[in-house]
Amino acid sequence: NAGVIQTPRHKVTGKGQEATLWCEPISGHSAVFWYRQTIVQGLEFLTYFRNQAPIDDSGMPKERFSAQMPNQSHSTLKIQSTQPQDSAVYLCASSFGGQDTQYFGPGTRLLVL
Amino acid sequence: SQWGEENLQALSIQEGEDVTMNCSYKTYTTVVHWYRQDSGRGPALIILIRSNEREKRSGRLRATLDTSSQSSSLSITAAQCEDTAVYFCATAPRGSWQLIFGSGTQLTVMP
Repeated sequence: NAGVIQTPRHKVTGKGQEATLWCEPISGHSAVFWYRQTIVQGLEFLTYFRNQAPIDDSGMPKERFSAQMPNQSHSTLKIQSTQPQDSAVYLCASSFGGQDTQYFGPGTRLLVL
Repeated sequence: SQWGEENLQALSIQEGEDVTMNCSYKTYTTVVHWYRQDSGRGPALIILIRSNEREKRSGRLRATLDTSSQSSSLSITAAQCEDTAVYFCATAPRGSWQLIFGSGTQLTVMP
């Protein structure tokens, strides 16, 4: 089991460009979560899916962020018109569900110049 | 102690010492997760304690949970250099699966 896979590991974009981050959850897990980590804000919840359906996106900045889970093997987080304040490590996690253990990927470090 | 509004705490100890990290939470929860994060990696669960457990042990780790005071602690006995990491507590709000993380404790164990 390779664990949660996130690609790319590092991404540098210019201000105003689009960034798409990919996550492959652990096979058999029903829940996929996206978090963002910065020094200032710490680890923040963004959104999650249960059996591919979006359940809670209360942590997502409304205008430029979107997440999808087109099939059970991957999820994407898209940031349109990236801004310097979007620079962060974006972490994907998956779990069997409920309050079970969440298994995190290594994260994608996004830098917006 | 840690929670979301507090700054990242830092602790530095010598190898072989014991250390305790504290966490307080604001919303009702039935389980507290403790994760550790090594540099450049995602958080990894090290111990999970449920509301019907006042104490849980795993190797050199010991977690406690006091639901009346909404607080939890993580203790490491005879710390080793490889215990150097950031430690987070996390809870899930009632009815939700998302985790709310504390601000974390940077633990450095020196040889």
